[in-house]
Amino acid sequence: SQQGEEDPQALSIQEGENATMNCSYKTSINNLQWYRQNSGRGLVHLILIRSNEREKHSGRLRVTLDTSKKSSSLLITASRAADTASYFCATGPMDSSYKLIFGSGTRLLVRP
Amino acid sequence: DAGVIQSPRHEVTEMGQEVTLRCKPISGHNSLFWYRQTMMRGLELLIYFNNNVPIDDSGMPEDRFSAKMPNASFSTLKIQPSEPRDSAVYFCASTASGGAETQYFGPGTRLLVL
Repeated sequence: SQQGEEDPQALSIQEGENATMNCSYKTSINNLQWYRQNSGRGLVHLILIRSNEREKHSGRLRVTLDTSKKSSSLLITASRAADTASYFCATGPMDSSYKLIFGSGTRLLVRP
Repeated sequence: DAGVIQSPRHEVTEMGQEVTLRCKPISGHNSLFWYRQTMMRGLELLIYFNNNVPIDDSGMPEDRFSAKMPNASFSTLKIQPSEPRDSAVYFCASTASGGAETQYFGPGTRLLVL
């Protein structure tokens, strides 16, 4: 069964707007990662946040982690048409040294 | 540096045929993962190798699936016999650390079993 569930399942915004995606998970984690998947392609790692971190930035990406609520959010600022893709959160559960459990993804459409 | 390489990129076969998917991880990476992605079940871990040794194959659906890693630069996932419900995109990923850190994915093999 999937550990992470993204919300919303789909998001459509205008270029230049910000996009926020949320991820909830069930068990204690070592880290949480976000990946992007363009149509017909493999997943590309975006950012990793560890369980003892609350916020992390990378370029136009901002990730927050609230371990008390078992949730994370990914914010993409000043979105571009090229940001159109599916975004997945992946959790590294504390009871495993190697597993990543992927959520169901959010499909983001950025309209030019 | 080349990323994870998978072949073939697309495979169409008939039910009952043997299918072999291939993966070359990033040089120097010691962990390799095979995943299957479907609309219904999302991305599922099939098998995990560390230093060429299968560590966790609990995600392999049934005996029709087998995977090998004869050396650090090559792995195969075999389905024999194939069934229509095996239709999916199969990804290979590798990491340098062996832990649940950043995974580098290949482009995937899109398999269609008729």
